[in-house]
Order: sequence, then C-alpha cells, then structure tokens
Amino acid sequence: DTAVSQTPKYLVTQMGNDKSIKCEQNLGHDTMYWYKQDSKKFLKIMFSYNNKELIINETVPNRFSPKSPDKAHLNLHINSLELGDSAVYFCASSQVQPPEAFFGQGTRLTVV
Amino acid sequence: GIQVEQSPPDLILQEGANSTLRCNFSDSVNNLQWFHQNPWGQLINLFYIPSGTKQNGRLSATTVATERYSLLYISSSQTTDSGVYFCAVDTGRRALTFGSGTRLQVQP
Repeated sequence: DTAVSQTPKYLVTQMGNDKSIKCEQNLGHDTMYWYKQDSKKFLKIMFSYNNKELIINETVPNRFSPKSPDKAHLNLHINSLELGDSAVYFCASSQVQPPEAFFGQGTRLTVV
Repeated sequence: GIQVEQSPPDLILQEGANSTLRCNFSDSVNNLQWFHQNPWGQLINLFYIPSGTKQNGRLSATTVATERYSLLYISSSQTTDSGVYFCAVDTGRRALTFGSGTRLQVQP
C-alpha cells in the first residue's frame, strides 16, 4: 500500500530524447509536487499543483512540463533531455492542513 | 526567500552515542519537517513539527518557532541511523525549502 508511488525508479536515456515520469498518491491529498535533488544532494521545489492547478513553477526550463489529469496523479514530461537534467526527481503530496508532505521513492534520471 | 541552515554538515558517531542536529530558519513558518534520507535514497518522514516537542522512540524533535530554530535529537545511535538528515520548512506558499542536510555516519 504505497502512499506516493513513482515510476520508473531508474531511467537512463540519451541526450535529446523525451521522457516522462509518473506519480500517483492514494492519500486523498489535494496538493502534489515535483522536487529535484542534484548531485550534491540539494533538494529544490520544481512545481506545486493544488486541485490540478499549477500554483508554483520555480523557474524551471520550458522543457519540463507537469501534467495533472486528476488530484491523485502528477506526471512530469521532459523534452529534449540534456546532460544537466541528470538528477533524482521526487514526487510528493500533502493536504492543506496539516501541510505535512510525503515523498515518493524518487526517480534517478541519467542522461548520457 | 526563506533561508534554512543546518548544522553540523557532517557527523561521525560511534554506535550508542547521542547527537543533536540543528536547523535555523530565517522567517515564520507554518510547516517544518525533518526527514531521513537513507543510503538507498528514500526520504523518510521523521517529524512534522512547526512548533513544540515530539518524540518517536529514540528520536525526538523540538521547534522553537519564536526563535526560528529546530533541534533533532538522536539517542543511542545505531548503524541504521546513517544517512542524511534534512530539515525543510514552508512559509505558507505550499512548497518546502530544504536545508543542505547533515550527513550522519554511525560506526559500529
């Protein structure tokens, strides 16, 4: 009974390709997020969605496009992958109150 | 935006030792969480603690919101406590800002 699940767990792809990462939560939360963890382990918000509406876009390149088909799902599509996109991407979800966030297991993206 | 500073950046302990990790933040928050990132990369929720004190087994946490800091106590450390401990805060904008973490290594 995984609360926040992401697929795939690992993704290795060539520069220039387009890829997607899927996220699903079964906690009934209304807010979902994408975070990026770089090679130095620093975690930073990319996007926040509340009830399928984008509320935060943290100066992420246009090549990254989140899509929320419903409250329980938030997918991340990345176009024209670059070497610098290699990182671990975490999906998370929370309620409005309390705003405690729960994270998925992460997707390690390697661009070669 | 809000600044989050964690200390120490690195910590090496012998099994059985106690430790205190600190998180300072620069603005009022409505959310403060402590996470443990284990060697497999999973982010595990330890505490949701925007204020007050909580305990869970060998771990406890205290947040003094008026003074803008939080402390995580680990007692009788075990090798399985190794990993990176993150403090993360939210000012109400619906996104966590993370500190740079404390890397803990517990030696047998």
